[in-house]
Amino acid sequence: GQQLNQSPQSMFIQEGEDVSMNCTSSSIFNTWLWYKQEPGEGPVLLIALYKAGELTSNGRLTAQFGITRKDSFLNISASIPSDVGIYFCAGQPGGANNLFFGTGTRLTVIP
Amino acid sequence: GAGVSQTPSNKVTEKGKYVELRCDPISGHTALYWYRQSLGQGPEFLIYFQGTGAADDSGLPNDRFFAVRPEGSVSTLKIQRTERGDSAVYLCASSLGGPSTDTQYFGPGTRLTVL
Repeated sequence: GQQLNQSPQSMFIQEGEDVSMNCTSSSIFNTWLWYKQEPGEGPVLLIALYKAGELTSNGRLTAQFGITRKDSFLNISASIPSDVGIYFCAGQPGGANNLFFGTGTRLTVIP
Repeated sequence: GAGVSQTPSNKVTEKGKYVELRCDPISGHTALYWYRQSLGQGPEFLIYFQGTGAADDSGLPNDRFFAVRPEGSVSTLKIQRTERGDSAVYLCASSLGGPSTDTQYFGPGTRLTVL
């Protein structure tokens, strides 16, 4: 199956700091998605990207679809305690029915 | 409106037993997906339904796993002769239309523990 490498695996940051995480793939995707998952919950969609080079924001979150279509990054500005959770990238190849997920980045925000 | 719901939220069973996990998708969503999430990993695709039919079951690990969606709404994932390695969170997602165009919304999952 598709391999998605997500980094870093975990981050401990001070409240107010900016956060950056990224995801790389061994193959091309037509869609990149970023989800957040909290304990006992399913993943919740944060940002969806559909075109190479696309840069999209959702409040304090910004994500980009890499030009090569094999990578994406997510930035969170001015982190707050409720940003705590596990962030997953997910990619979808053209014609595929399913999403391929990264291994997640566990974010801890220290007040 | 209501999101995707899954029951039970937790299921503990013994090795060798049969289990059924239920998913209620968002009303009106024609596509339904099952994923499995092992500890410390991202979700992995199992099966996708478009309406009543399984359009893609390429992610099912073996023939002990089976899923149905008889009326195109609720789906049941069935696992026979459970093994300890089946322990995971089983996530269901639904989307309005097909997977290439519409966002997948996830339920809270069923945590399956096989003793």
